[in-house]
Amino acid sequence: AQRVTQPEKLLSVFKGAPVELKCNYSYSGSPELFWYVQYSRQRLQLLLRHISRESIKGFTADLNKGETSFHLKKPFAQEEDSAMYYCALVSGGSNYKLTFGKGTLLTVNP
Amino acid sequence: GAGVSQTPSNKVTEKGKYVELRCDPISGHTALYWYRQSLGQGPEFLIYFQGTGAADDSGLPNDRFFAVRPEGSVSTLKIQRTERGDSAVYLCASSLQGDTEAFFGQGTRLTVV
Repeated sequence: AQRVTQPEKLLSVFKGAPVELKCNYSYSGSPELFWYVQYSRQRLQLLLRHISRESIKGFTADLNKGETSFHLKKPFAQEEDSAMYYCALVSGGSNYKLTFGKGTLLTVNP
Repeated sequence: GAGVSQTPSNKVTEKGKYVELRCDPISGHTALYWYRQSLGQGPEFLIYFQGTGAADDSGLPNDRFFAVRPEGSVSTLKIQRTERGDSAVYLCASSLQGDTEAFFGQGTRLTVV
């Protein structure tokens, strides 16, 4: 069975500091990994996914199959990055159901 | 509409009552998912529809939970004999066939008292 682990429930940084939100997964096949974000009073939305290999709002994430990790990084955090971040995976096949981690609440202080 | 719409946004019901939660997906999205999010947890998969049929209902916790999508668009999640443990935010998501990007609704916050 697949599992996604986000070890930090809370993460607090100062504006301009680097930020890394950790995500580890367990799955025997080749999953597709995602980061979803939920800003205050907004719906859950896709931030980025590993297959597109792009940077969104300055965030990047690299899939490391050896370490089964998909950490989210940003070199200079902004106050508007404060939100709940969820790492998720899709296990493949034709059912694209997501398995989510418990989430990390990022607070960027001024 | 522009996005996935869920109604009601909040529902308070008494233990033992029946509730229906509605999801209106993005037009043209054939795949529809229901998730449940309890406090402090990530969303957990309940059921997946491809068109009108439930392709995977392995996440439904028990037979009190049922969902339909009769015309391949709007879906209704039905919960019978509600229990306090059913209190959670119920999320609906939709996607294009063959696309892994899911678009979420705002959710319905269900409180069973």
